[in-house]
Amino acid sequence: GQNIDQPTEMTATEGAIVQINCTYQTSGFNGLFWYQQHAGEAPTFLSYNVLDGLEEKGRFSSFLSRSKGYSYLLLKELQMKDSASYLCAGLDSNYQLIWGAGTKLIIKP
Amino acid sequence: IAGITQAPTSQILAAGRRMTLRCTQDMRHNAMYWYRQDLGLGLRLIHYSNTAGTTGKGEVPDGYSVSRANTDDFPLTLASAVPSQTSVYFCASSDKGGTTGELFFGEGSRLTVL
Repeated sequence: GQNIDQPTEMTATEGAIVQINCTYQTSGFNGLFWYQQHAGEAPTFLSYNVLDGLEEKGRFSSFLSRSKGYSYLLLKELQMKDSASYLCAGLDSNYQLIWGAGTKLIIKP
Repeated sequence: IAGITQAPTSQILAAGRRMTLRCTQDMRHNAMYWYRQDLGLGLRLIHYSNTAGTTGKGEVPDGYSVSRANTDDFPLTLASAVPSQTSVYFCASSDKGGTTGELFFGEGSRLTVL
């Protein structure tokens, strides 16, 4: 079956760095997405990786290893506004997104 | 502001009633989607449409129907609501249906079925 696994909740300190991991099993693979979702709001796009390696976008970076079925989202210089859920989603061979349940990130001062 | 508009934002509904959730986008995106989001679960695809005039079933289509008469509108209908359909419903669109496009989401419709 298809599956996306990510931790349910993580806590980090303002100004620090946090890494949110995601492992995936999909029927075929056409890329991996990360979305951010603040409580009570809609998900918003953060990143898309289809090739191995690190993609950097400001304070946020996303890494993909296709051979390991693994991705992570790295958040640097954490700010209180980064408190949100982070959703990992894999795109399968039919170009359908398989979503993880999300990782709730709590930032403490 | 361009984007996706969903209505209603919140609704309490008696079981057995018919309900239509509306979704309109002004980005001229070809593909549109309906997801439900439940606590502890990932977003689950209900129905999708890769282009106006076509629709397809997602992971959890039972009890729901959709139509795509034009590019902008993609309503979701619950013919006879049941309590298990209590959820937050998100409409989304993409300019690259069936491929790798980024999804743009509406603000969600919170539905409670009693």
